Amino acid sequence: DAGVTQSPTHLIKTRGQQVTLRCSPKSGHDTVSWYQQALGQGPQFIFQYYEEEERQRGNFPDRFSGHQFPNYSSELNVNALLLGDSALYLCASSLGQGEAFFGQGTRLTVV
Amino acid sequence: GNSVTQMEGPVTLSEEAFLTINCTYTATGYPSLFWYVQYPGEGLQLLLKATKADDKGSNKGFEATYRKETTSFHLEKGSVQVSDSAVYFCALLIQGAQKLVFGQGTRLTINP
Repeated sequence: DAGVTQSPTHLIKTRGQQVTLRCSPKSGHDTVSWYQQALGQGPQFIFQYYEEEERQRGNFPDRFSGHQFPNYSSELNVNALLLGDSALYLCASSLGQGEAFFGQGTRLTVV
Repeated sequence: GNSVTQMEGPVTLSEEAFLTINCTYTATGYPSLFWYVQYPGEGLQLLLKATKADDKGSNKGFEATYRKETTSFHLEKGSVQVSDSAVYFCALLIQGAQKLVFGQGTRLTINP
């Protein structure tokens, strides 16, 4: 079982650009959540996807959007990148509201 | 609202010392409580959890008891090892809600 896999592991983008991060959930899981972890802080909930619909959203601007595919994988898109978007982006998957399993994250640096 | 407050780090101990990392919470409902651990360069791993008052979660020698009267979920370990060096996060989940709410994390360093 590969667990939750995220890609890429690291990337560097310029202010104003757009970025797409990808997540493959653990086998058998149908729910994907995304979190932003700024340096030295705890993760902050961005949103959750279930059955290809956004089920709940945290306090993030509309520049942050997502998608879930029929195979339960998910993408996080961030438009008009700001320096403050630099963070570790974590994906977590679960079966419904069961235990959340986290991926290793994508480290995004905005310059 | 819902929030979690952890003791500020970093915490540095010698091997075989006793560990306590304090965690208190504020919640509008009846939360489940969690401790996650993050090793360098990795994502979060669930360490232990408790779903109702007076439950004790335990794993790998770590323990935490859900104390509703003090709204606390302190993490303890009797004898730490160098391999326990990591960042520890306390978190809550409100029943029926969709998201984990995390504390700011406590960095633990164990010296041999």
